[in-house]
Amino acid sequence: QKEVEQNSGPLSVPEGAIASLNCTYSDRGSQSFFWYRQYSGKSPELIMFIYSNGDKEDGRFTAQLNKASQYVSLLIRDSQPSDSATYLCAVNTGGSYIPTFGRGTSLIVHP
Amino acid sequence: DTAVSQTPKYLVTQMGNDKSIKCEQNLGHDTMYWYKQDSKKFLKIMFSYNNKELIINETVPNRFSPKSPDKAHLNLHINSLELGDSAVYFCASSQTDTSGNTIYFGEGSWLTVV
Repeated sequence: QKEVEQNSGPLSVPEGAIASLNCTYSDRGSQSFFWYRQYSGKSPELIMFIYSNGDKEDGRFTAQLNKASQYVSLLIRDSQPSDSATYLCAVNTGGSYIPTFGRGTSLIVHP
Repeated sequence: DTAVSQTPKYLVTQMGNDKSIKCEQNLGHDTMYWYKQDSKKFLKIMFSYNNKELIINETVPNRFSPKSPDKAHLNLHINSLELGDSAVYFCASSQTDTSGNTIYFGEGSWLTVV
C-alpha cells in the first residue's frame, strides 16, 4: 500500500524563523512530489512541486527531495503568522497520476 | 472567475436522505476528482474521471455515485446518507498530460448529516 507520512504537529515556530516540514513516502517508484497549503476552512492550494533530487526554491519556500531516503521536505524561511496553516504532502507514483496525500502538518507561526 | 466551482457549499440533511453535490471546472482539464476530508483532515480520493471514464474508485460505499455529463462536470450523488458521511467533500481537476499533474481544488462542500 502506498503511504505518505507526515507528523501531524502542531509545529510551532516564532515569526522570522525557518519552519521545516517533513514527509516520507513508501513507494520507491514515486516520481512527482507536491506541497499544498490549506488554511482552516479553505481548500488546499499548491505551493510547489519537485521531481528531481535536490533543492527547488520559490521565494521563501524551498522543497528538498531525497529519493534514496524517500523523503521530501519543505522549508519556509522568514516565517510569518500568515503562514499558519496545514501543509499537505502529496506524492504521485509511477503507476498512477492520482496523488496520495499525507495527513498534513499543522504549522503555527507565533509573533 | 472560479476555476473549480462546487455547490452547495453547506448542506445539512437528515439520515436516510439522498443528496447531490455539483462540480464544474472551466480550466479545460481532462480529469476530475472527488476527495473526502474527514474531521482529522485526512484527504482521501473517492473517484477520478478521465475523459468521461471512471478511472479509479477507491473502497467507497456504492451509496456514492459520480456522474459526469461532460468533461467539465463531475457531480456526486449520495443515497441513504449516514452520520459517518459528514465531512468536507472537495471536487478537483487536473490535466494529466502536463508535468506533475497538479490538482486544483474547489472550495469544498461541508456536508452535515443529522
